[in-house]
Amino acid sequence: DSGVTQTPKHLITATGQRVTLRCSPRSGDLSVYWYQQSLDQGLQFLIHYYNGEERAKGNILERFSAQQFPDLHSELNLSSLELGDSALYFCASGGRGANTGELFFGEGSRLTVL
Amino acid sequence: GEDVEQSLFLSVREGDSSVINCTYTDSSSTYLYWYKQEPGAGLQLLTYIFSNMDMKQDQRLTVLLNKKDKHLSLRIADTQTGDSAIYFCAESIPPPGGGSYIPTFGRGTSLIVHP
Repeated sequence: DSGVTQTPKHLITATGQRVTLRCSPRSGDLSVYWYQQSLDQGLQFLIHYYNGEERAKGNILERFSAQQFPDLHSELNLSSLELGDSALYFCASGGRGANTGELFFGEGSRLTVL
Repeated sequence: GEDVEQSLFLSVREGDSSVINCTYTDSSSTYLYWYKQEPGAGLQLLTYIFSNMDMKQDQRLTVLLNKKDKHLSLRIADTQTGDSAIYFCAESIPPPGGGSYIPTFGRGTSLIVHP
C-alpha cells in the first residue's frame, strides 16, 4: 500500500461528459503528480502541484484541469470527453524529503468513455 | 528532449537472472529509476540511481548505469514467478528554477517468469 488513495477506481461515461478524479496523497507529502497511462501513449505526465500551487505542466489538454486544495488532496477534471480520453489516470505523491523525484503511486482511476 | 526506450517483453525461467535494459537520450539526466507495476496496481518504485554512480545493489536487484552510452539496466537475480510484472525505466532532469524532479517514463518491459 503506497498510502496514495484515488477515487473512483473505475468510471464509465459518455462522450461529451465531464468527470472528476480525486487523489489523496501520502500523509506528509506536499507534491501531487497526475499521469495518464494508455496503450498507445504509455505513461504521460500531465501536471504537478506542490503545496497547493501548480509547478509544472506536461501533455495536459486544455479540456483538462486540476487543482490541489489546502488539505493537499487533488482533483483532476476532464471535460468534453472523447473516446481517446479512455485511459488509466494515476496520481502520485512525493516531496516529503529530499528532492529525488521518488514518487508513490495510487492504484489509478480507469476511465472508459463510450 | 527526454526520451526513454526499453524493449517490450522479456521471458525468463524461474531461478535465472533477468536483465532489463533501457536507453535514454538526455545527457543531463540526474536521477534514473526503476518502477514495477503489477496487474491492477499502481507503479511501485524499486530503486533509483544518481547520475554520478555507475552501480547500485539492493538485495536481488542490481542497477548498472553507463552514462557514456546513456544505458541503464536492471538485473534481478534468482527471478521468481512473483517478479512477473511490467518494469518501467524513468529519468528526470534538473527542473528549471529549482523545482521538483518529474520522471519521464519508458513504455515498460513485461517480464514473464515461467517455471
